[in-house]
Amino acid sequence: NAGVMQNPRHLVRRRGQEARLRCSPMKGHSHVYWYRQLPEEGLKFMVYLQKENIIDESGMPKERFSAEFPKEGPSILRIQQVVRGDSAAYFCASSPQGQGVHEQYFGPGTRLTVT
Amino acid sequence: KQEVTQIPAALSVPEGENLVLNCSFTDSAIYNLQWFRQDPGKGLTSLLLIQSSQREQTSGRLNASLDKSSGRSTLYIAASQPGDSATYLCAVKDSNYQLIWGAGTKLIIKP
Repeated sequence: NAGVMQNPRHLVRRRGQEARLRCSPMKGHSHVYWYRQLPEEGLKFMVYLQKENIIDESGMPKERFSAEFPKEGPSILRIQQVVRGDSAAYFCASSPQGQGVHEQYFGPGTRLTVT
Repeated sequence: KQEVTQIPAALSVPEGENLVLNCSFTDSAIYNLQWFRQDPGKGLTSLLLIQSSQREQTSGRLNASLDKSSGRSTLYIAASQPGDSATYLCAVKDSNYQLIWGAGTKLIIKP
């Protein structure tokens, strides 16, 4: 039973390019969460998605960031026109249910470096 | 608004010592609390998950306690080893569904 998969593990982009981060949840999990860890800071919630629905994107920057979780395929976190301040580790987690006691299981993260 | 604080921010102890890491949270209405380990430049390793109805969880040399009423959790590490050196993160799942994270305690175990 594979865990949460994220790819790529490392991504380098020049300023102004687009970054696409992918997350495949654990088998049987239909709830996905994205968190960001800026250098030397704690993790912060970005967005919570179910299949084909964004439930809460209150932690997403208002511009340039978007997320989706299509019916088929992985969840995608997309960052347009990246800037140096987007350099961070982006972690994805999944769970079988959303609210309540259910544990969130984390992927290995994608480290984005913007040059 | 839930806030999670970890004290100390950094800790350096000689190998073999027992130690305690602290985590406090401001809103006691939580579903669970989880301790993670993060090595430099690496991902998150889940260590222990305590549900709100539980008071402690144990795994090997690790023991985590939860006192919801006072908004505190401790992670006890027995007989510390250099391989325990890492940053330890505490996260609570509150009445919402997102995890709220502390800033972590950076632990160094000196051989």
